[in-house]
Amino acid sequence: GENVEQHPSTLSVQEGDSAVIKCTYSDSASNYFPWYKQELGKRPQLIIDIRSNVGEKKDQRIAVTLNKTAKHFSLHITETQPEDSAVYFCAASIESGYALNFGKGTSLLVTP
Amino acid sequence: DTAVSQTPKYLVTQMGNDKSIKCEQNLGHDTMYWYKQDSKKFLKIMFSYNNKELIINETVPNRFSPKSPDKAHLNLHINSLELGDSAVYFCASSQMTSGSTDTQYFGPGTRLTVL
Repeated sequence: GENVEQHPSTLSVQEGDSAVIKCTYSDSASNYFPWYKQELGKRPQLIIDIRSNVGEKKDQRIAVTLNKTAKHFSLHITETQPEDSAVYFCAASIESGYALNFGKGTSLLVTP
Repeated sequence: DTAVSQTPKYLVTQMGNDKSIKCEQNLGHDTMYWYKQDSKKFLKIMFSYNNKELIINETVPNRFSPKSPDKAHLNLHINSLELGDSAVYFCASSQMTSGSTDTQYFGPGTRLTVL
């Protein structure tokens, strides 16, 4: 299937700092881009998503930006807190729309 | 939290055995999925079903056979288990909107260990 590249694989920030995770995708038919947070031993949970007709979306401390031309999208977390520590996955819908291709995940550590 | 449920939560078995994982969703969604998460946490789509019909079969060995008796259930049967099948298997469901998946809700996962 088409690839979703995610960087960095690990990210360590101090509490209160911002964290940025970047993804690129290759399938030009992708039109839905969710971000999931997965805590240790738990299921992935959606934190924010964006569709291809929107360039930016914000929900409190979390924002996502999408550049369809460059096939880039990014997650921004401001004022990070220790409870933000988890693995974050980006994903892009595949051409048929019936599944998601996931990035390999970013392990975010927020230190007090 | 019981919107998408899976059983069992843990499965430990010997190589060569056959096992099944069950998934149920009570969200009224028309599309269900199986994802495999390996030891490096990589999440990969295995199957996608829409209204009980197989839509996606992502180059999964035919030892894996999904079955959807109705829109709310998608089970996964695995024959002749191999060491490499050890992983966490997640079921998920979503509604299709404008020809694309909407939010996918994941089940709690089934950790399969093949000895």
